[in-house]
Amino acid sequence: QVQLVQSGAEVKKPGASVKVSCKASQYTFTRYYIHWVRQAPGQGLEWMGVINPNGGSTSYTQKFQGRVTMTRDTSTSTVYMEVSSLRSEDTAVYYCAREITAPYDWFDPWGQGTLVIVSS
Amino acid sequence: SSELTQDPAVSVALGQTVRITCQGDSLRSYYGSWYKQKPGQAPVVVIYGNTNRPSGIPDRFSGSISGNTASLTITGAQAEDEADYYCNSRDSSGNHRVFGGGTKLTVL
Repeated sequence: QVQLVQSGAEVKKPGASVKVSCKASQYTFTRYYIHWVRQAPGQGLEWMGVINPNGGSTSYTQKFQGRVTMTRDTSTSTVYMEVSSLRSEDTAVYYCAREITAPYDWFDPWGQGTLVIVSS
Repeated sequence: SSELTQDPAVSVALGQTVRITCQGDSLRSYYGSWYKQKPGQAPVVVIYGNTNRPSGIPDRFSGSISGNTASLTITGAQAEDEADYYCNSRDSSGNHRVFGGGTKLTVL
């Protein structure tokens, strides 16, 4: 079945960077956009941005502009999301999700989530 | 602040019907979807395109839209429906996505 498998949990110090991976399987990787969503402890879902695996174009919400970079590797069907200049407020579970469009916009499936802890 | 507004918490008696709403101007122009999330798990879509139910989702889940308000209705709520529910759509520019703040559903 269609699956997104994310990399494991990370613990980082403030000011460092973290790179989370999301490996897709059982579908044509370049046909579907991948979105990143994060969830701080006890909080709601927050949309971060999207990457088009076909060409690599990206769009980020303003909050993360300049601090988040999304890339992809078509040879391994993997999308990466890097957050730089980490601060404690970036402690969250980060999810990738495949976008289904034409004509509707929805996310399915989601990755299992990657916990990133930022602590000194 | 979110461009999609949800009530923070709703409760329903076992077997009764509950409606969870999501309000936002972008819903007049773009489709909404609903996601169910249980503690420690990734979200799962329960409604897409305002009214469509993916395969595998029980038919007690239904969606509707009226003006700028999308609704998720659970008819005959079960204990396993207790979860957080989030709506999602595009923002007012149409370029980005936005989630509602989420509604915690308690089944009594």
